[in-house]
Amino acid sequence: DTEVTQTPKHLVMGMTNKKSLKCEQHMGHRAMYWYKQKAKKPPELMFVYSYEKLSINESVPSRFSPECPNSSLLNLHLHALQPEDSALYLCASSLVPGPPYEQYFGPGTRLTVT
Amino acid sequence: DAKTTQPNSMESNEEEPVHLPCNHSTISGTDYIHWYRQLPSQGPEYVIHGLTSNVNNRMASLAIAEDRKSSTLILHRATLRDAAVYYCILRDGGGSQGNLIFGKGTKLSVKP
Repeated sequence: DTEVTQTPKHLVMGMTNKKSLKCEQHMGHRAMYWYKQKAKKPPELMFVYSYEKLSINESVPSRFSPECPNSSLLNLHLHALQPEDSALYLCASSLVPGPPYEQYFGPGTRLTVT
Repeated sequence: DAKTTQPNSMESNEEEPVHLPCNHSTISGTDYIHWYRQLPSQGPEYVIHGLTSNVNNRMASLAIAEDRKSSTLILHRATLRDAAVYYCILRDGGGSQGNLIFGKGTKLSVKP
């Protein structure tokens, strides 16, 4: 099983809402990632979790709050988002952080902030 | 992280080979060369990676120049399903996390 699953597939939320994105993998990977992808742009790294600990936060605003409850699960909690946060949010995992280990990506959650 | 330069777009005919170039003149000795692709409406997908030697897998081949300042991803027989944005990415294996930093990539179109 080389699948990374993400739920929901689509999410529409208002600027005062609180919502969460979920990512799951059962490959025994110990590194998990969140990326943000705006339309017609490349993915941008947001967070890296290594062995369930946050190792990289790429200066992401605090309205995005990641959580890694266990080695298989990664959440992204959203609060007080802005319309410009509308994007495709991608989750990925790899056996361990760093090269040469490839990353496996999920299909993404398409988020619209109204 | 060292940068890569790729053409914005390329076209290919179905069932013909495709050579996707990537320049990385400032590559360091510990940088791995990774290729990912992103099909429309999907997450990125790993294609292949190498350090110094040419590499082959079931999806593609990676040809690395002797001075490592450039590389070429080779799709041996393009299919319509290969139409995607292809990203060439350098990942530092020298002690940093070597994260994936995506550039603009090459948009490959495949004509039937």
